[in-house]
Amino acid sequence: SQQGEEDPQALSIQEGENATMNCSYKTSINNLQWYRQNSGRGLVHLILIRSNEREKHSGRLRVTLDTSKKSSSLLITASRAADTASYFCATDDSGNTPLVFGKGTRLSVIA
Amino acid sequence: GAGVSQSPSNKVTEKGKDVELRCDPISGHTALYWYRQSLGQGLEFLIYFQGNSAPDKSGLPSDRFSAERTGGSVSTLTIQRTQQEDSAVYLCASSSQGTAQETQYFGPGTRLLVL
Repeated sequence: SQQGEEDPQALSIQEGENATMNCSYKTSINNLQWYRQNSGRGLVHLILIRSNEREKHSGRLRVTLDTSKKSSSLLITASRAADTASYFCATDDSGNTPLVFGKGTRLSVIA
Repeated sequence: GAGVSQSPSNKVTEKGKDVELRCDPISGHTALYWYRQSLGQGLEFLIYFQGNSAPDKSGLPSDRFSAERTGGSVSTLTIQRTQQEDSAVYLCASSSQGTAQETQYFGPGTRLLVL
């Protein structure tokens, strides 16, 4: 089955800087979601972008989607130490469940 | 309930023993998912329940793994004759109707260590 692949695997930045994470996938999708995971526990949904959308905002989060390149990016602006977590993209396969999660990007925000 | 709950939080067992992991989904959610996450890795889909339909078991890694969902609510994931490679965090999630455009709500996970 297809899988989203996040890039980079790990990212370390200073507080206040912006963090950009990328996700690539293999087959057509209806939706792409981003989730955050703190300390290896449960994931929390951040944002969903549909295949007919190119950009979506939620607070300090900005997500873009390029279906021609089969890629998405998650931008966190003005990062905070509390943003330290792993971030995962999740894709459907032409609208089917279950979602397929990538391996994630580990973000460290240094105060 | 307020969220998805899982028990136990942590489980240490000896190789060869059976373990049962429990998941209580959000009340009224018809879809329930089990995932496995090995250290530093992504989520590996295991099994998916949707209403009264037959579960999607395509992600179960071996016949030692099985899951039930009783009464359309609580689910139990059973691992028989545990192996060291079964050590991982087992995450449960639920969603309202089981469609791909829905948010999945995750429990805190059960950390399983097989010695």
